[in-house]
Amino acid sequence: AQTVTQSQPEMSVQEAETVTLSCTYDTSESDYYLFWYKQPPSRQMILVIRQEAYKQQNATENRFSVNFQKAAKSFSLKISDSQLGDAAMYFCAYRSEGETSGSRLTFGEGTQLTVNP
Amino acid sequence: NAGVMQNPRHLVRRRGQEARLRCSPMKGHSHVYWYRQLPEEGLKFMVYLQKENIIDESGMPKERFSAEFPKEGPSILRIQQVVRGDSAAYFCASSQVPTGDMNTEAFFGQGTRLTVV
Repeated sequence: AQTVTQSQPEMSVQEAETVTLSCTYDTSESDYYLFWYKQPPSRQMILVIRQEAYKQQNATENRFSVNFQKAAKSFSLKISDSQLGDAAMYFCAYRSEGETSGSRLTFGEGTQLTVNP
Repeated sequence: NAGVMQNPRHLVRRRGQEARLRCSPMKGHSHVYWYRQLPEEGLKFMVYLQKENIIDESGMPKERFSAEFPKEGPSILRIQQVVRGDSAAYFCASSQVPTGDMNTEAFFGQGTRLTVV
C-alpha cells in the first residue's frame, strides 16, 4: 500500500518570502500522480498543483512549483512571494493509475502554513 | 455550474442515532468518492460509487457504515448507531469519468462536520 508522509506539522513564512513544504511517499508503482491540496479554514479542498510521475519536468502554477525527485520519492511544494491568503493546511496526496485503484487519493497528515504580515 | 454540494454542513447526533450525509455531485458527474477526515489528520478514502453501483469500498468500516448513489438524487453516506469516534469531517468528491481511467480530477465539496455527543 502507498503511504504519504509530511514531516512538518507546522510551517510559517513572512509575507512576500518563499517557503518549501516537504512530502515523501512510498510506492512500488512506476506510474502515478502526485498532488498538493490546500484546505483553508472554510474546509474546502482546493487543488493547488499536480505532477505526473512519467514527466521529468517539475510542474509550475504561477507562484507554486514542485520539486519532484522520483528516485528519492520526494515531492516538495515551493510557494514564492507568499501572500496572506496562502495561509492554510496543505496536504500532499498520491494517486495510482487504473480505473479502480486510481479512484482514490492517499493523503499525508498535512502541514499548517502560517503567513506572517 | 454549481460545485459539489454537501448537506448538512454541520450535523450533531447523540450516540446511538443515525447520521445521513448527502452529496450532490457536479452536473454531469456520475462518479462519487467519500473521504473522512478525523481531527488533526489527513483525508482517508472510504468508498467510490458510480450511479447505482459501489465500485470500491475498501476504506469503509465493516459495520454501521453504508453508502449509496441512486439513479436519481444525491449520494448518501449513512452511519448507523453513531459513536463518539465517528466525529469527523466527511468529504465528497465527484468526477465526470473515472479519475484513474481518464486521468481527470475529482472536485471536492465543503464537507459535513459530524459531531457525536
